[in-house]
Amino acid sequence: GAVVSQHPSWVICKSGTSVKIECRSLDFQATTMFWYRQFPKQSLMLMATSNEGSKATYEQGVEKDKFLINHASLTLSTLTVTSAHPEDSSFYICSARSSGSHEQYFGPGTRLTVT
Amino acid sequence: GEDVEQSLFLSVREGDSSVINCTYTDSSSTYLYWYKQEPGAGLQLLTYIFSNMDMKQDQRLTVLLNKKDKHLSLRIADTQTGDSAIYFCAEKGDSNYQLIWGAGTKLIIKP
Repeated sequence: GAVVSQHPSWVICKSGTSVKIECRSLDFQATTMFWYRQFPKQSLMLMATSNEGSKATYEQGVEKDKFLINHASLTLSTLTVTSAHPEDSSFYICSARSSGSHEQYFGPGTRLTVT
Repeated sequence: GEDVEQSLFLSVREGDSSVINCTYTDSSSTYLYWYKQEPGAGLQLLTYIFSNMDMKQDQRLTVLLNKKDKHLSLRIADTQTGDSAIYFCAEKGDSNYQLIWGAGTKLIIKP
């Protein structure tokens, strides 16, 4: 149980285009989803926390107009990187937790490369 | 702000025990976690310990918590090549569900 999927697993896009990454909880209802960014050989950086049906809470320094997060259902959250630039290239990982649980389950990550 | 620290590398021989250490600063920490990340993959929750526990054992994994010193360790018995990965320590405070992450310890297995 507690499986979280991400799609796509990797994506290459041109500078200036937008990319949408999906995060799904497959066998549980995810009350809260988290979006992280991980640079090579570094730890995870929390970008935002989203509760189903509410606006996401962004961490300091994360541009909410650039990284659009939607958590419209209990099993799906999306992260859209708008007008992507090469510096947005990174590994994006989502995690999800269900109501009343302290455990976060992680997706396999999405490697974004912006050329 | 709160902080979690780990050493960046640990090298052990196959078959030996690995001990990965972590220190944290949040005195209101409720849960502490160990996650494993293999190359190019997401994170896998290995184990966690509640803050009122001293030890938790799960097959080859033993977690020790010294709450007074704010020190957490993960011991992997009989380390195998499949244990090669980066191990992240994380803690959760009592106020929300966000985790504070260590930088990760890369476990290198020597034959």
